[in-house]
Amino acid sequence: KAGVTQTPRYLIKTRGQQVTLSCSPISGHRSVSWYQQTPGQGLQFLFEYFSETQRNKGNFPGRFSGRQFSNSRSEMNVSTLELGDSALYLCASSLEQASYNEQFFGPGTRLTVL
Amino acid sequence: TQLLEQSPQFLSIQEGENLTVYCNSSSVFSSLQWYRQEPGEGPVLLVTVVTGGEVKKLKRLTFQFGDARKDSSLHITAAQPGDTGLYLCAGHVTSIKAAGNKLTFGGGTRVLVKP
Repeated sequence: KAGVTQTPRYLIKTRGQQVTLSCSPISGHRSVSWYQQTPGQGLQFLFEYFSETQRNKGNFPGRFSGRQFSNSRSEMNVSTLELGDSALYLCASSLEQASYNEQFFGPGTRLTVL
Repeated sequence: TQLLEQSPQFLSIQEGENLTVYCNSSSVFSSLQWYRQEPGEGPVLLVTVVTGGEVKKLKRLTFQFGDARKDSSLHITAAQPGDTGLYLCAGHVTSIKAAGNKLTFGGGTRVLVKP
């Protein structure tokens, strides 16, 4: 089975721009979660999607949004980029009836905001 | 304040030595996962522990879940340079309603095993 894939792997943007990141979950996985990883804050939960609906949301401003498509692929969007948005954005997928909430991560998208 | 506290933050040892990483919380977890992450990559799931007092072994790695399901430890025997990486514990908190698949992560322990 192919793992979680994320595109692009690297992105450089400037302040004020917006960005869209993409995630394809493991085949058969219907839940997709997004996390932000920074050296100072570690891994922080952004949101989770299941069956095209946001099921859970972390403490991030409204500039961070996401969606999920009928094939379970997910995208996240960050608008009006700030320098502090520079981070590794990780996507994780799991089965709906996940074995004790096990999540499998993609390689991440490294976003640099200049 | 981190819901999950990991210690130490950094560990540098020689090949062949043993090491232990701790993950502590005041909250009860229905399950706890350990991941290892290498630079530029996503975390890779090592193990999931579910039952209080549970011990799981993965070759030279031993994982333990506390009796009260509030803490966990990872012990590596005879560490090798290939064990170098960032070790992360993550849990699903039982007290959070509709937590779905939200994982709460510890701050991570960076392990360096020198040859």
